[in-house]
Amino acid sequence: AQSVTQLDSQVPVFEEAPVELRCNYSSSVSVYLFWYVQYPNQGLQLLLKYLSGSTLVESINGFEAEFNKSQTSFHLRKPSVHISDTAEYFCAVRKQGAQKLVFGQGTRLTINP
Amino acid sequence: EPEVTQTPSHQVTQMGQEVILRCVPISNHLYFYWYRQILGQKVEFLVSFYNNEISEKSEIFDDQFSVERPDGSNFTLKIRSTKLEDSAMYFCASSLDWSSYNEQFFGPGTRLTVL
Repeated sequence: AQSVTQLDSQVPVFEEAPVELRCNYSSSVSVYLFWYVQYPNQGLQLLLKYLSGSTLVESINGFEAEFNKSQTSFHLRKPSVHISDTAEYFCAVRKQGAQKLVFGQGTRLTINP
Repeated sequence: EPEVTQTPSHQVTQMGQEVILRCVPISNHLYFYWYRQILGQKVEFLVSFYNNEISEKSEIFDDQFSVERPDGSNFTLKIRSTKLEDSAMYFCASSLDWSSYNEQFFGPGTRLTVL
């Protein structure tokens, strides 16, 4: 079975500061990795995903995540955050060939001016 | 931009009552999913549905749960006899197909409160 751990339930940062949201996973088989974001009163939206190829993946709004197989991690980073990045961020894995996503607990990112 | 919609946004019910949560997936999608998130806990997979059949389900999805696509647009989750522990946010999702190259699009959720 797969599992996902997001060690930080809340991360407060100042605007324009860098941020890293941590995600570690456990799986005995190959998985695909995802980051979803949930803005207030909205559904989960896919932020970025790693399926294969380059281990560094980027989103259109400046976030990036790096797949590290040896450390079984998929941390999310942004060099400079904006107020609009305030949201809850969920890391998820999906076993190759399976349909279900397995989620972490979520990390609430709050941006202080 | 097409989106998944869910109704109601909040449902309050008495323990033992039946509830039906409704979802309208994106129109050309073929795979449909239900997930739930109990307050303070992880988002958990319940069931996936394709071609009018359940294609995968979790241990949570026991006999009190059922899913249905009653017409060409709606996808419903029925809980026959609600329990206090069914209180959660329920998310519907849909995807074009099951491959990981096609993402699952999520609705905003229905918050179910069982009293």
